[in-house]
Amino acid sequence: DGGITQSPKYLFRKEGQNVTLSCEQNLNHDAMYWYRQDPGQGLRLIYYSQIVNDFQKGDIAEGYSVSREKKESFPLTVTSAQKNPTAFYLCASSGTGFSYEQYFGPGTRLTVT
Amino acid sequence: DAKTTQPTSMDCAEGRAANLPCNHSTISGNEYVYWYRQIHSQGPQYIIHGLKNNETNEMASLIITEDRKSSTLILPHATLRDTAVYYCIVSRGNSGNTGKLIFGQGTTLQVKP
Repeated sequence: DGGITQSPKYLFRKEGQNVTLSCEQNLNHDAMYWYRQDPGQGLRLIYYSQIVNDFQKGDIAEGYSVSREKKESFPLTVTSAQKNPTAFYLCASSGTGFSYEQYFGPGTRLTVT
Repeated sequence: DAKTTQPTSMDCAEGRAANLPCNHSTISGNEYVYWYRQIHSQGPQYIIHGLKNNETNEMASLIITEDRKSSTLILPHATLRDTAVYYCIVSRGNSGNTGKLIFGQGTTLQVKP
Protein backbone atom coordinates (compact mmCIF):
# COMPACT_ATOMS: atom_id res chain seq x y z
CA ASP A 1 0.00 0.00 0.00
CA GLY A 2 1.37 3.40 -0.96
CA GLY A 3 1.07 6.17 1.54
CA ILE A 4 2.52 8.31 4.27
CA THR A 5 3.20 7.06 7.75
CA GLN A 6 3.75 9.15 10.84
CA SER A 7 4.82 7.82 14.16
CA PRO A 8 3.94 7.80 16.89
CA LYS A 9 0.26 8.75 16.86
CA TYR A 10 0.46 10.24 20.36
CA LEU A 11 3.57 11.65 22.00
CA PHE A 12 4.06 13.09 25.46
CA ARG A 13 7.13 15.07 26.52
CA LYS A 14 8.28 17.22 29.35
CA GLU A 15 8.95 20.88 28.76
CA GLY A 16 12.56 21.56 27.80
CA GLN A 17 13.07 18.30 25.89
CA ASN A 18 13.60 18.06 22.17
CA VAL A 19 11.41 15.55 20.36
CA THR A 20 11.59 14.15 16.82
CA LEU A 21 8.49 13.25 14.81
CA SER A 22 8.84 10.69 12.06
CA CYS A 23 7.41 10.96 8.54
CA GLU A 24 7.96 8.36 5.83
CA GLN A 25 6.41 8.12 2.36
CA ASN A 26 6.58 5.44 -0.33
CA LEU A 27 4.77 7.43 -3.01
CA ASN A 28 8.03 8.39 -4.74
CA HIS A 29 7.16 12.06 -4.20
CA ASP A 30 9.87 14.68 -4.39
CA ALA A 31 8.18 17.26 -2.15
CA MET A 32 7.39 16.86 1.52
CA TYR A 33 5.80 19.23 4.05
CA TRP A 34 5.20 19.67 7.75
CA TYR A 35 2.12 21.45 9.06
CA ARG A 36 0.91 22.27 12.50
CA GLN A 37 -2.76 22.37 13.51
CA ASP A 38 -4.09 23.89 16.71
CA PRO A 39 -7.61 23.11 18.01
CA GLY A 40 -10.34 24.55 15.80
CA GLN A 41 -7.80 26.06 13.42
CA GLY A 42 -6.56 25.42 9.92
CA LEU A 43 -3.10 24.06 9.09
CA ARG A 44 0.02 26.21 9.12
CA LEU A 45 3.19 25.36 7.20
CA ILE A 46 6.31 24.76 9.29
CA TYR A 47 8.89 23.51 6.77
CA TYR A 48 8.89 22.12 3.27
CA SER A 49 11.34 20.30 1.05
CA GLN A 50 11.19 20.11 -2.75
CA ILE A 51 14.15 17.77 -3.12
CA VAL A 52 16.59 15.68 -1.11
CA ASN A 53 19.15 17.67 0.90
CA ASP A 54 17.18 20.89 0.51
CA PHE A 55 14.44 22.44 2.61
CA GLN A 56 12.94 25.86 3.31
CA LYS A 57 11.20 27.52 6.22
CA GLY A 58 7.46 27.90 6.10
CA ASP A 59 5.38 30.42 8.00
CA ILE A 60 6.09 29.21 11.53
CA ALA A 61 9.57 27.60 11.47
CA GLU A 62 10.89 29.10 14.71
CA GLY A 63 11.63 26.40 17.27
CA TYR A 64 11.59 23.59 14.70
CA SER A 65 14.23 21.86 12.60
CA VAL A 66 14.12 19.29 9.80
CA SER A 67 16.40 17.16 7.65
CA ARG A 68 15.92 15.54 4.26
CA GLU A 69 18.68 13.00 3.79
CA LYS A 70 16.47 10.52 1.94
CA LYS A 71 13.64 11.02 -0.51
CA GLU A 72 11.33 8.89 1.61
CA SER A 73 11.94 10.56 4.95
CA PHE A 74 11.41 14.06 6.39
CA PRO A 75 11.70 14.03 10.20
CA LEU A 76 10.71 17.08 12.23
CA THR A 77 12.39 18.02 15.51
CA VAL A 78 10.46 20.16 17.94
CA THR A 79 13.08 21.90 20.01
CA SER A 80 12.85 23.37 23.48
CA ALA A 81 12.87 26.81 21.82
CA GLN A 82 9.33 26.25 20.52
CA LYS A 83 7.13 28.25 22.88
CA ASN A 84 3.87 26.35 22.40
CA PRO A 85 4.74 22.89 21.08
CA THR A 86 1.50 21.14 22.05
CA ALA A 87 -0.36 20.62 18.76
CA PHE A 88 -1.38 18.17 16.05
CA TYR A 89 1.46 17.74 13.52
CA LEU A 90 0.77 16.66 9.96
CA CYS A 91 3.20 15.55 7.30
CA ALA A 92 2.34 15.63 3.60
CA SER A 93 3.98 14.85 0.28
CA SER A 94 3.35 15.69 -3.35
CA GLY A 95 4.82 15.57 -6.80
CA THR A 96 6.36 18.73 -8.20
CA GLY A 97 5.20 20.96 -11.02
CA PHE A 98 1.78 22.42 -11.60
CA SER A 99 -1.35 21.03 -10.12
CA TYR A 100 -0.03 18.44 -7.71
CA GLU A 101 -2.24 17.49 -4.82
CA GLN A 102 -0.75 16.84 -1.41
CA TYR A 103 -1.29 13.58 0.43
CA PHE A 104 -1.31 13.68 4.21
CA GLY A 105 -0.29 11.26 6.89
CA PRO A 106 -2.48 10.42 9.89
CA GLY A 107 -0.74 12.98 12.12
CA THR A 108 1.06 12.97 15.47
CA ARG A 109 -0.56 14.59 18.47
CA LEU A 110 2.18 16.04 20.67
CA THR A 111 1.51 17.06 24.24
CA VAL A 112 4.20 18.90 26.21
CA THR A 113 3.72 19.48 29.91
CA ASP B 1 -2.30 32.79 -3.14
CA ALA B 2 -5.89 33.99 -3.28
CA LYS B 3 -8.12 33.87 -0.23
CA THR B 4 -11.31 31.85 -0.07
CA THR B 5 -14.61 32.34 1.75
CA GLN B 6 -16.76 29.42 2.84
CA PRO B 7 -19.83 29.09 5.06
CA THR B 8 -18.94 28.01 8.58
CA SER B 9 -21.31 25.07 8.67
CA MET B 10 -23.90 23.16 6.65
CA ASP B 11 -26.25 20.27 7.18
CA CYS B 12 -27.24 17.63 4.66
CA ALA B 13 -29.62 14.69 4.81
CA GLU B 14 -28.09 11.28 4.25
CA GLY B 15 -28.51 10.16 0.66
CA ARG B 16 -29.02 13.66 -0.66
CA ALA B 17 -26.50 15.73 -2.57
CA ALA B 18 -24.30 18.05 -0.53
CA ASN B 19 -23.40 21.29 -2.30
CA LEU B 20 -20.57 23.20 -0.66
CA PRO B 21 -19.91 26.71 -2.00
CA CYS B 22 -16.66 28.63 -2.05
CA ASN B 23 -15.88 32.20 -3.11
CA HIS B 24 -12.42 33.05 -4.45
CA SER B 25 -12.95 36.38 -6.17
CA THR B 26 -9.22 37.29 -6.25
CA ILE B 27 -8.11 34.08 -7.96
CA SER B 28 -5.45 34.59 -10.62
CA GLY B 29 -5.16 32.84 -13.95
CA ASN B 30 -2.59 30.24 -12.91
CA GLU B 31 -4.23 29.25 -9.64
CA TYR B 32 -6.12 26.02 -9.17
CA VAL B 33 -9.06 25.37 -6.88
CA TYR B 34 -8.42 22.43 -4.53
CA TRP B 35 -10.81 20.74 -2.14
CA TYR B 36 -9.71 18.74 0.87
CA ARG B 37 -11.64 17.37 3.81
CA GLN B 38 -10.61 16.50 7.33
CA ILE B 39 -12.44 14.03 9.47
CA HIS B 40 -11.96 14.66 13.16
CA SER B 41 -8.43 13.91 14.42
CA GLN B 42 -7.25 12.61 11.03
CA GLY B 43 -5.02 14.04 8.33
CA PRO B 44 -6.71 16.00 5.53
CA GLN B 45 -7.81 14.01 2.51
CA TYR B 46 -7.51 15.31 -1.03
CA ILE B 47 -10.86 15.30 -2.86
CA ILE B 48 -10.58 17.06 -6.20
CA HIS B 49 -9.09 20.06 -7.96
CA GLY B 50 -9.64 22.08 -11.13
CA LEU B 51 -8.48 25.08 -13.09
CA LYS B 52 -11.30 26.19 -15.40
CA ASN B 53 -13.37 23.21 -16.41
CA ASN B 54 -15.74 21.24 -14.25
CA GLU B 55 -14.19 18.08 -12.87
CA THR B 56 -15.59 14.80 -11.59
CA ASN B 57 -14.00 11.83 -9.88
CA GLU B 58 -15.19 8.93 -7.81
CA MET B 59 -15.62 11.09 -4.73
CA ALA B 60 -17.13 14.35 -5.95
CA SER B 61 -17.77 16.89 -8.67
CA LEU B 62 -16.31 20.37 -8.85
CA ILE B 63 -18.21 23.12 -10.61
CA ILE B 64 -16.23 26.31 -11.32
CA THR B 65 -18.04 29.41 -12.58
CA GLU B 66 -17.01 30.85 -15.90
CA ASP B 67 -15.36 33.88 -14.28
CA ARG B 68 -13.63 31.49 -11.84
CA LYS B 69 -14.62 33.64 -8.87
CA SER B 70 -16.54 30.88 -7.15
CA SER B 71 -16.93 27.13 -7.14
CA THR B 72 -19.13 24.40 -5.69
CA LEU B 73 -18.11 20.98 -4.45
CA ILE B 74 -20.84 18.41 -4.92
CA LEU B 75 -21.00 15.13 -3.01
CA PRO B 76 -23.73 13.39 -5.00
CA HIS B 77 -25.05 11.02 -2.33
CA ALA B 78 -23.85 12.08 1.09
CA THR B 79 -23.33 9.42 3.75
CA LEU B 80 -22.70 9.74 7.47
CA ARG B 81 -19.00 9.10 6.77
CA ASP B 82 -18.89 12.35 4.77
CA THR B 83 -19.30 14.35 7.98
CA ALA B 84 -16.10 16.41 8.08
CA VAL B 85 -14.57 19.85 7.69
CA TYR B 86 -14.25 20.72 4.00
CA TYR B 87 -11.53 23.11 2.89
CA CYS B 88 -11.55 25.07 -0.35
CA ILE B 89 -8.03 26.20 -1.23
CA VAL B 90 -6.66 28.24 -4.10
CA SER B 91 -3.07 27.52 -4.98
CA ARG B 92 -0.57 27.57 -7.80
CA GLY B 93 0.16 23.94 -7.03
CA ASN B 94 3.80 23.09 -6.68
CA SER B 95 5.30 24.84 -9.68
CA GLY B 96 8.64 25.88 -8.26
CA ASN B 97 7.08 27.69 -5.33
CA THR B 98 6.34 26.40 -1.88
CA GLY B 99 3.31 24.38 -2.81
CA LYS B 100 1.92 25.77 0.42
CA LEU B 101 -1.75 25.14 1.01
CA ILE B 102 -3.49 27.85 3.03
CA PHE B 103 -6.15 26.15 5.11
CA GLY B 104 -8.80 28.53 6.37
CA GLN B 105 -11.61 27.59 8.73
CA GLY B 106 -13.43 25.48 6.16
CA THR B 107 -17.06 24.35 6.18
CA THR B 108 -18.18 21.82 8.77
CA LEU B 109 -20.58 19.50 6.96
CA GLN B 110 -22.89 17.50 9.18
CA VAL B 111 -24.66 14.66 7.40
CA LYS B 112 -27.78 13.65 9.30
CA PRO B 113 -29.72 10.37 9.12
